Amino acid sequence: GESVGLHLPTLSVQEGDNSIINCAYSNSASDYFIWYKQESGKGPQFIIDIRSNMDKRQGQRVTVLLNKTVKHLSLQIAATQPGDSAVYFCADGPRGGGADGLTFGKGTHLIIQP
Amino acid sequence: NAGVTQTPKFRVLKTGQSMTLLCAQDMNHEYMYWYRQDPGMGLRLIHYSVGEGTTAKGEVPDGYNVSRLKKQNFLLGLESAAPSQTSVYFCASSTRTSVADTQYFGPGTRLTVL
Repeated sequence: GESVGLHLPTLSVQEGDNSIINCAYSNSASDYFIWYKQESGKGPQFIIDIRSNMDKRQGQRVTVLLNKTVKHLSLQIAATQPGDSAVYFCADGPRGGGADGLTFGKGTHLIIQP
Repeated sequence: NAGVTQTPKFRVLKTGQSMTLLCAQDMNHEYMYWYRQDPGMGLRLIHYSVGEGTTAKGEVPDGYNVSRLKKQNFLLGLESAAPSQTSVYFCASSTRTSVADTQYFGPGTRLTVL
């Protein structure tokens, strides 16, 4: 499958600040992207997704931005809280046809400084 | 709703032993997946199923077998465990469409092969 990667393995931010987690993808034909949060010892938890026909989507305290020109995806978390501390994964969704799962990046560990 | 559940949560095997991991979902999802997660890595797809009675290979299927006899259950088998199969295994299910695939994950099974 195609690779989906994150720029930084670790990101440290102050509590209350905004966090921006980045992801690059290589396949210009990718049509669906999704962000997951994984807390220690738990399974990945869905945060937000976006289709390739959109460039921005907002959820509760989170925003995903998609720049298809440079094949870049970002997750913005507003007013970061201690509970946001986790590993964040971006994933590249199916491209039509068979259900071949999601292709995950390696993850960025978000650390919240008090 | 319990969502996606996995049993067991932990298991230690000796090389050559066999075992079966059970995944169950109560969301009436057609699609189910098995992933493995190794330290510092994203999740890699082992096998998946697009419906009861169907299975297909993912990215890393060697050494594993699966069965989907009932829609709500997806079993992952290791016939002869090897140390390289030490990992955390996650099951997921989804109601995939042609443009989206929001997968919901179980809590994981931590397997150690000695």
